[in-house]
Amino acid sequence: DGGITQSPKYLFRKEGQNVTLSCEQNLNHDAMYWYRQDPGQGLRLIYYSQIVNDFQKGDIAEGYSVSREKKESFPLTVTSAQKNPTAFYLCASNQLAGTGELFFGEGSRLTVL
Amino acid sequence: SQQGEEDPQALSIQEGENATMNCSYKTSINNLQWYRQNSGRGLVHLILIRSNEREKHSGRLRVTLDTSKKSSSLLITASRAADTASYFCATDAAGQNFVFGPGTRLSVLP
Repeated sequence: DGGITQSPKYLFRKEGQNVTLSCEQNLNHDAMYWYRQDPGQGLRLIYYSQIVNDFQKGDIAEGYSVSREKKESFPLTVTSAQKNPTAFYLCASNQLAGTGELFFGEGSRLTVL
Repeated sequence: SQQGEEDPQALSIQEGENATMNCSYKTSINNLQWYRQNSGRGLVHLILIRSNEREKHSGRLRVTLDTSKKSSSLLITASRAADTASYFCATDAAGQNFVFGPGTRLSVLP
């Protein structure tokens, strides 16, 4: 079935460690996005990419990095520079032409110990 | 500042009742979309309404858009316990990415 797969579902990290969250889509979508969600809040955009080998910062990019080497994949690295990384991370994708409806993965919950 | 703001923040109703959630935004938009999120899961697209539309229906969902007031409402009729979730509006404007509000947490009690 077509969709977006995020892994891992749960991740624990010690302070000072970098972690990478995986996001893969088989929808042939051009654009991919990473959002952060904190309890009781909406989604905030971290990074997005509209084409392979290109990506742009969103509203809260500091302490995060991404790559887009393949159309299907958009991994997010949470670096040690991110001061408050404990959150729920959501990956999404859409086709740029059309309604722009976003398709989301099931999320990754990162906890810093 | 956030483009979309849902109201109320939380809503509890009995099964069979209707649930109405509102979304306000600040600038002109192309489209407004509503999404649903079950606890600990990803968001699922429910319905999209374009800026030149005033009302749209999909099953038990009814969405209205008032561009003069910069507001939208989502009505869920004959609610079920399975409708318990958080509901988000997302707006997109020319040249900008989607902006999500903080959501409305809906609890439908059996």
